[in-house]
Amino acid sequence: NAGVTQTPKFQVLKTGQSMTLQCAQDMNHEYMSWYRQDPGMGLRLIHYSVGAGITDQGEVPNGYNVSRSTTEDFPLRLLSAAPSQTSVYFCASSPGTVGFYGYTFGSGTRLTVV
Amino acid sequence: GENVEQHPSTLSVQEGDSAVIKCTYSDSASNYFPWYKQELGKRPQLIIDIRSNVGEKKDQRIAVTLNKTAKHFSLHITETQPEDSAVYFCAASMLSGGSNYKLTFGKGTLLTVNP
Repeated sequence: NAGVTQTPKFQVLKTGQSMTLQCAQDMNHEYMSWYRQDPGMGLRLIHYSVGAGITDQGEVPNGYNVSRSTTEDFPLRLLSAAPSQTSVYFCASSPGTVGFYGYTFGSGTRLTVV
Repeated sequence: GENVEQHPSTLSVQEGDSAVIKCTYSDSASNYFPWYKQELGKRPQLIIDIRSNVGEKKDQRIAVTLNKTAKHFSLHITETQPEDSAVYFCAASMLSGGSNYKLTFGKGTLLTVNP
């Protein structure tokens, strides 16, 4: 098992550009989430999915879109990048209720928007 | 929604001393409280967790205590070592219903263990 795989590891974007952060897991986990990590702010939930075809917003969804066409993949799209989206992005997955199974985190994507 | 407060934001101790990090939460329905350790440039990794039917849990040098009445929980690290230096995050979630799909994180504590 590769676990949770995120690509790319690093990315620099210009303001206004769009891009997709990839997240894939090979553990057949139902729950997948995207968090962003900013200094002094902890990890904040952007979007989440509880199964293929089901997505919903977290606490900081503005400027991001997600889709979940398969159980394995949960890409995060930045529609028009802004400097405020400079952050480290983590994808996480769980077989089900997080309280029973916990999260498996990916290795993160460090994004800089200039 | 749930709000998790974590203190202190930075903590410096001498090797061999104990370290204590405290968190409070707002939603009385939360009943799962994990702690994550994040080394520089790495992903968060679960080090210990506690569920609301338990008041204390230990794993070697680390322990977590939970006070449901006061809505706070704490991480205790004894006999600290330089490799304990990292950012530690507390979090809260639910075992069923409500927000059982997510963790709400505290803002983190940077622990530095000085040799």
